[in-house]
Amino acid sequence: GDSVTQMEGPVTLSEEAFLTINCTYTATGYPSLFWYVQYPGEGLQLLLKATKADDKGSNKGFEATYRKETTSFHLEKGSVQVSDSAVYFCALSVEAGGTSYGKLTFGQGTILTVHP
Amino acid sequence: GAGVSQTPSNKVTEKGKYVELRCDPISGHTALYWYRQSLGQGPEFLIYFQGTGAADDSGLPNDRFFAVRPEGSVSTLKIQRTERGDSAVYLCASTPTAGGLAGRSSYNEQFFGPGTRLTVL
Repeated sequence: GDSVTQMEGPVTLSEEAFLTINCTYTATGYPSLFWYVQYPGEGLQLLLKATKADDKGSNKGFEATYRKETTSFHLEKGSVQVSDSAVYFCALSVEAGGTSYGKLTFGQGTILTVHP
Repeated sequence: GAGVSQTPSNKVTEKGKYVELRCDPISGHTALYWYRQSLGQGPEFLIYFQGTGAADDSGLPNDRFFAVRPEGSVSTLKIQRTERGDSAVYLCASTPTAGGLAGRSSYNEQFFGPGTRLTVL
């Protein structure tokens, strides 16, 4: 079946530090890949996505590149801010046989805390 | 505009009771999903509606769980004979387009509600 594995957390960084959150996946079909973020007290929201190999998704200074050869979609940011403190979820959605229901398979989430 | 809303925000019930959780998707969104998120875990898919019909209910854990969407808008997740293991946050999400060859809904952003936290004592 489809699965997503994220790096173990939590991650604690100082402001302006470089961030990497690793994500690898297994998929039965051709997946689209997503990073969702959950800020304290808020619902899940899409951070970025990539729908085919070698695509790079980017938003709010975050980036992730769809690497088919390594089945990875690692999240990076060059300089984190306190406001980036949140839970980050890697997810995939598989399109199989030309149809897709769009259901998401999520990783377990990584808690990021950024200190001033 | 209004986002996805879910009611109640919190529900505490006793083991064996029946509960209903409601989801109001974004107006005009035809696709609706239910997920369950246990503490420290990512959300897990339960059921997907395209319009009024449940197109994929493969994630429902057992026959105590049932969901409806009679008019293609509001959806209700129903849990019979609740068990302590049902305690979790139940999330609803919607997207604007259909799945299938034309819709390619795997590409679409899912808009999530704030969730209902269910506690079974």
